[in-house]
Amino acid sequence: GENVEQHPSTLSVQEGDSAVIKCTYSDSASNYFPWYKQELGKRPQLIIDIRSNVGEKKDQRIAVTLNKTAKHFSLHITETQPEDSAVYFCAASIGSGGYQKVTFGTGTKLQVIP
Amino acid sequence: DAGVIQSPRHEVTEMGQEVTLRCKPISGHDYLFWYRQTMMRGLELLIYFNNNVPIDDSGMPEDRFSAKMPNASFSTLKIQPSEPRDSAVYFCAVYQGAYYGYTFGSGTRLTVV
Repeated sequence: GENVEQHPSTLSVQEGDSAVIKCTYSDSASNYFPWYKQELGKRPQLIIDIRSNVGEKKDQRIAVTLNKTAKHFSLHITETQPEDSAVYFCAASIGSGGYQKVTFGTGTKLQVIP
Repeated sequence: DAGVIQSPRHEVTEMGQEVTLRCKPISGHDYLFWYRQTMMRGLELLIYFNNNVPIDDSGMPEDRFSAKMPNASFSTLKIQPSEPRDSAVYFCAVYQGAYYGYTFGSGTRLTVV
């Protein structure tokens, strides 16, 4: 089955700096890569995703990049703010149409220092 | 938050006791999932249902775990007997299509002492 590795496990940045979280996946058939943010004591929530036919996607201060050849994808957060502090999960899935079984990475705890 | 309601939010029980976790998803979702989250293992898929039918329970750790979905608006995850290593946060989630992805419930924090 699919295996997703995520690095680093913890990340501390100064407010205003950028943060980068990297993930690799094992199954070349994976075609959908969502990212989830989980604030302390709360549920994971989808923040951005990318599909295999796209190399990069941006949403305000958040961007994701995908390298299908190398089977890795990354989350970039620019101009970090204290409210960005959370655990971030990458995920990979295979499928089309309806349901897509998702495999999650182990998470990155991001701390933004004011 | 609308979408998936879990109960209880917190559960503390003694080893050997039966524990039942509940999930009430908003109807209209064909897929329902139970996840377990721990520091060591992250998010683990335990089981998922499609149209109330269990499809893949390969993630259920042992026979002590069982899950049911009697109708589209209710699911339970039962642990009998519970053990301290079952302590974790258990999430129920639904799949809302390619645009919205998963919607998770608030989770149940289970502590087995």
